[in-house]
Amino acid sequence: DAGVIQSPRHEVTEMGQEVTLRCKPISGHDYLFWYRQTMMRGLELLIYFNNNVPIDDSGMPEDRFSAKMPNASFSTLKIQPSEPRDSAVYFCATQGIGNTIYFGEGSWLTVV
Amino acid sequence: EDKVVQSPLSLVVHEGDTVTLNCSYEVTNFRSLLWYKQEKKAPTFLFMLTSSGIEKKSGRLSSILDKKELFSILNITATQTGDSAVYLCAVEAGWLGYGGSQGNLIFGKGTKLSVKP
Repeated sequence: DAGVIQSPRHEVTEMGQEVTLRCKPISGHDYLFWYRQTMMRGLELLIYFNNNVPIDDSGMPEDRFSAKMPNASFSTLKIQPSEPRDSAVYFCATQGIGNTIYFGEGSWLTVV
Repeated sequence: EDKVVQSPLSLVVHEGDTVTLNCSYEVTNFRSLLWYKQEKKAPTFLFMLTSSGIEKKSGRLSSILDKKELFSILNITATQTGDSAVYLCAVEAGWLGYGGSQGNLIFGKGTKLSVKP
């Protein structure tokens, strides 16, 4: 299995621009999570889906953040408009029957 | 507020040393505690602990949980330079109605381990 695939791996964008991060989960995994990692706050859960349905988005910091999962093989996390404080590594992770969460390689976002 | 605290924040040792990493937690509805190793990329799963006093072991790594005192330790014996990484502790706090998911993981800030040759 190719694992959790995220894109882009790195993105540098200007403040105010829209950023879209993408995730392809491991096939057959019912849960998909979006995490954000910063030096200050560590790893934080932003939102998670179960069978493509958003279950808990209480970790989404502001209305500028939105996430979708239109089908079982694709999810997006969008930031519009982006701000410098959004600079972080964004991880997508999925979980299947085995109860272990598998992380993607992360999308390293820098907003200047 | 749920929290997970790891110590030390960073540690420098020499190859062959034994290290102990600490993780304490305060959460509601504790379900499990997990250890991850993070090098330059994504965290990789090491252990999941749910019961007190039962040691999990994988090669030179081992971990144990104390649910009464609310902490866990991760031991690495005969350290190697390849063990250099950030070790993350995460606690799964359960919630009603959605069994089976580890999604509600509360992560500590991690312990950065550097192993010198």
